[in-house]
Amino acid sequence: AQSVTQPDIHITVSEGASLELRCNYSYGATPYLFWYVQSPGQGLQLLLKYFSGDTLVQGIKGCEAEFQRSQSSFNLRKPSVHWSDAAEYFCAVGLMEYGNKLVFGAGTILRVKS
Amino acid sequence: GAVVSQHPSWVICKSGTSVKIECRSLDFQATTMFWYRQFPKQSLMLMATSNEGSKATYEQGVEKDKFLINHASLTLSTLTVTSAHPEDSSFYICSAVRQDTQYFGPGTRLTVL
Repeated sequence: AQSVTQPDIHITVSEGASLELRCNYSYGATPYLFWYVQSPGQGLQLLLKYFSGDTLVQGIKGCEAEFQRSQSSFNLRKPSVHWSDAAEYFCAVGLMEYGNKLVFGAGTILRVKS
Repeated sequence: GAVVSQHPSWVICKSGTSVKIECRSLDFQATTMFWYRQFPKQSLMLMATSNEGSKATYEQGVEKDKFLINHASLTLSTLTVTSAHPEDSSFYICSAVRQDTQYFGPGTRLTVL
């Protein structure tokens, strides 16, 4: 069955420090992978996505993610975190054969300390 | 591009009444929209898939007679919570699909008294 694992429920980083959020997926076919961010009381904003091609993808807000098929991973990275990055981050795999449904990870809450 | 709106952003209603939530894709047409429910400190739970011009497909355990979905045009889907009860209080989020990507609305906070 398809699944997404985000092993870190909470992460705290200092402002200006680098960030890596982990995501592992289980999917039988070539995955469509997404990272979304959700601020409290808001909807989800798409940060980046991977469908095919270059395994290092760039997104908005200075984010990037690398698709590693051998590791079944799609980790999100940001070189320097700002206080406004504090939010919850969701990794998801798209089920194209099921009409673009998404399977979400449980989310990682990012806290930024000054 | 790919902006999705929801209306209202929050609503408070009395137990037993019905509430309609609208989801609109503002700058693109969406054959498929999704409705989610999110409980505090949890991930999103898919409720149903809304396809323009056809009946919605509900996830297991979601009461289709309680959560009525209408996708009457390529830019509008509505979710009606019928005979709402306090346990229906939640954060409801919609999304619209464009080029195999879901774009999400800002959510609607429903409180049933």
